[in-house]
Amino acid sequence: SAVISQKPSRDICQRGTSLTIQCQVDSQVTMMFWYRQQPGQSLTLIATANQGSEATYESGFVIDKFPISRPNLTFSTLTVSNMSPEDSSIYLCSVGTGTGGSGANVLTFGAGSRLTVL
Amino acid sequence: SQKIEQNSEALNIQEGKTATLTCNYTNYSPAYLQWYRQDPGRGPVFLLLIRENEKEKRKERLKVTFDTTLKQSLFHITASQPADSATYLCALGPSRWGYNKLIFGAGTRLAVHP
Repeated sequence: SAVISQKPSRDICQRGTSLTIQCQVDSQVTMMFWYRQQPGQSLTLIATANQGSEATYESGFVIDKFPISRPNLTFSTLTVSNMSPEDSSIYLCSVGTGTGGSGANVLTFGAGSRLTVL
Repeated sequence: SQKIEQNSEALNIQEGKTATLTCNYTNYSPAYLQWYRQDPGRGPVFLLLIRENEKEKRKERLKVTFDTTLKQSLFHITASQPADSATYLCALGPSRWGYNKLIFGAGTRLAVHP
């Protein structure tokens, strides 16, 4: 399965600033997914990043707050803009391996980026 | 809207016993269901997938059942070991009517004591 490198692994940020998280995959993939995992809550999909097109955002997430880049088939970035303490969370990127057969979307995740906003 | 429930309380068991974790869901008809393991500071790791037409799936000491009538999946770890201590997440695959994303539960933390 794919190996995903994600950085930073953790950061402490000041309110009002922005932080960009990088995700590097060791193989070419069509879609990359960005998730948020808040304490005690489930993984929530933020957006799907496709190379060569605009990211597709889930309900409740907007491009102005979470701009995404996907310059090639192995790399993506997620920026958390104008951060507030409510943005304190773990952010994870993932790719689908499709190893479940018949298109079943099995995911491989990066280790995550733990952001704390003061 | 879809809802997934996993026991939010940690499950504590003795080494060697069988751990059973529950995943219940409502307002959804998934084509398949997956289980992931997550260790602290790490991303989730895929364990097993079971399809809607399968009742049971096994992999080494792991067993998953899927009851689409009850809308429930059970995840069993037999002969549990302290190394099995982690948070286990269930995830629903897309319904037969489409909507291609996984929906995750919040997870249940398992602690296996020597």
